[in-house]
Amino acid sequence: DAKTTQPPSMDCAEGRAANLPCNHSTISGNEYVYWYRQIHSQGPQYIIHGLKNNETNEMASLIITEDRKSSTLILPHATLRDTAVYYCIVIPSGGGADGLTFGKGTHLIIQP
Amino acid sequence: DAGITQSPRHKVTETGTPVTLRCHQTENHRYMYWYRQDPGHGLRLIHYSYGVKDTDKGEVSDGYSVSRSKTEDFLLTLESATSSQTSVYFCAISDRGQGVRKTDTQYFGPGTRLTVL
Repeated sequence: DAKTTQPPSMDCAEGRAANLPCNHSTISGNEYVYWYRQIHSQGPQYIIHGLKNNETNEMASLIITEDRKSSTLILPHATLRDTAVYYCIVIPSGGGADGLTFGKGTHLIIQP
Repeated sequence: DAGITQSPRHKVTETGTPVTLRCHQTENHRYMYWYRQDPGHGLRLIHYSYGVKDTDKGEVSDGYSVSRSKTEDFLLTLESATSSQTSVYFCAISDRGQGVRKTDTQYFGPGTRLTVL
């Protein structure tokens, strides 16, 4: 599976858009980009995923560059409850190696 | 949120005692997973199931066994708990192989915090 690189931490003001970058320069054509987050003391939470088109759901938007080597997760109006560690991972179509492996992720801190 | 519950949510036990953790889903997903999460190690897969009575080992399966007698329940058993099994245990379910997009989105339960004294 392709590896991903994320900044270790980011700050964002409450009410503003939080833009979290992820590099996945070795991604293969059949690999999806997934985003999860983990709020302190809770289970990981699925946010969104995409292959090559931009995606939007009720939680976030995912922007994938045309060459698919990087992506950005956008939380449009961040709230204090969005403070969490955010993980970007790539998973091949049909499933990964039978288990998710999260890297260190980005610790997003929403400031009041 | 996906319908996944874990029980118990917290447990303290003594070394050498058997412990069973339960994961229950209401989503009818075929795949179910047990992970443990420890500081410095991230998520590590213990066992997973790809159907009733179909299970396989993960990265850290030693000292653990699992059973799945029906779609909705996946049990994790520590036959003789040790202090090294003190951890937070997460169950996950996946829509892997279901649907046209052939993706593998995992949904996690709230976790069980286990302390072995």
